[in-house]
Amino acid sequence: GQNIDQPTEMTATEGAIVQINCTYQTSGFNGLFWYQQHAGEAPTFLSYNVLDGLEEKGRFSSFLSRSKGYSYLLLKELQMKDSASYLCASRGLGGATNKLIFGTGTLLAVQP
Amino acid sequence: DVKVTQSSRYLVKRTGEKVFLECVQDMDHENMFWYRQDPGLGLRLIYFSYDVKMKEKGDIPEGYSVSREKKERFSLILESASTNQTSMYLCASSYPGQFNEQFFGPGTRLTVL
Repeated sequence: GQNIDQPTEMTATEGAIVQINCTYQTSGFNGLFWYQQHAGEAPTFLSYNVLDGLEEKGRFSSFLSRSKGYSYLLLKELQMKDSASYLCASRGLGGATNKLIFGTGTLLAVQP
Repeated sequence: DVKVTQSSRYLVKRTGEKVFLECVQDMDHENMFWYRQDPGLGLRLIYFSYDVKMKEKGDIPEGYSVSREKKERFSLILESASTNQTSMYLCASSYPGQFNEQFFGPGTRLTVL
């Protein structure tokens, strides 16, 4: 079976750090993606992990543990514009098609 | 700048109508995808295509069909729209290969009355 779990909602304060967790159970694993989606807009790519460890990109970092089926997205120095939904997606095995299984998303509200 | 466009942002149709949703990408991507997004259910894959005239069912293909006659264009067809197909429809495209992010269009919010 295939299942992606992430919290439904989170709240954090401007300037703080927030960690959004994602656990996955998929038949075959070939990478973990994070997307950001502002209300009424298209999802946009944030990060990709295929090996264990931390990938850092400016204020955003993403971590993967394949043995635990676990990933997190870390957002530092939060800004009001970071209020959005964050989607975790697992890519299964299957060659060239790049098919993704998405979680339901975590709605992050950044407060002043 | 990469671009995926969808024919309409908002669409209202009646039950039983045939509905066409069009998606065009200008990145020469081989792969194209149609998703629907519903509150509490997230993004669910309806159909995808990995080449012209090639298509595969996703997780929820019932009630939908697709057409890909040209590389840049991928159409989603609702043969006979029903109220439970009211949703946000998102198109995406990507290159093949292990690491290639999907680029999404702005979405079409379809309401079936």
